[in-house]
Amino acid sequence: QTVVTQEPSLTVSPGGTVTLTCASNTGAVTRGYYPNWFQQKPGQAPRALIYSTSNKHSWTPARFSGSLLGGKAALTLSGVQPEDEGEYYCLLYYDYSWMFGGGTKLTVL
Amino acid sequence: QITLKESGPTLVKPTQTLTLTCSFSGFSLSTSGVAVAWIRQPPGKALEWLALIYWDDDKRYSPSLKSRLTITKDTSKNQVVLTMTNMDPVDTATYYCARKYIVGTSVLFDYWGQGTLVTVSS
Repeated sequence: QTVVTQEPSLTVSPGGTVTLTCASNTGAVTRGYYPNWFQQKPGQAPRALIYSTSNKHSWTPARFSGSLLGGKAALTLSGVQPEDEGEYYCLLYYDYSWMFGGGTKLTVL
Repeated sequence: QITLKESGPTLVKPTQTLTLTCSFSGFSLSTSGVAVAWIRQPPGKALEWLALIYWDDDKRYSPSLKSRLTITKDTSKNQVVLTMTNMDPVDTATYYCARKYIVGTSVLFDYWGQGTLVTVSS
């Protein structure tokens, strides 16, 4: 059974930098998994941030960046703002289907 | 402006079949590279990808739910319909639809609907 794993929770100070990761139990995450990242705030629909590993949508703030790091997909927030607090999900592609990670709750404190 | 909106019953009984409609505007599901996906989220839990349908009517389903799901499209009405059979209380969730788009070698899920909460209870 395929499992996509994210850190359950992370805490960062305003202005700091934090990296969220997305791992697959099938092995190293590569560009062929087309990693997508989403932000979700309470009571809202998810909002797309990053697609295909490192590409930003037109509305994605510059402080968000995506990459591959140590066999995982990664989302880095540099210069974190209070409004970045929320839940973050990655999405990976597997053999004609897709799977979300369990999400990372990011607290800005 | 691209928008998607989910509609359907808010309450279904166990064993019933759920039918949800995603109505969209601002893009066409007859355009190459375009697809519409369904995703759900139980209260307080993570997102779960369910199914998607491509412009060419190709369909993909979550392996764990494949036997219960059917996705169809009506291109002329700009609608995608998801049916899920044999509903159970564990299927209580907010159901979202989203646009999937292929641009060159990139794959993106960009626009999402607001979601619709479906409760399964007798």
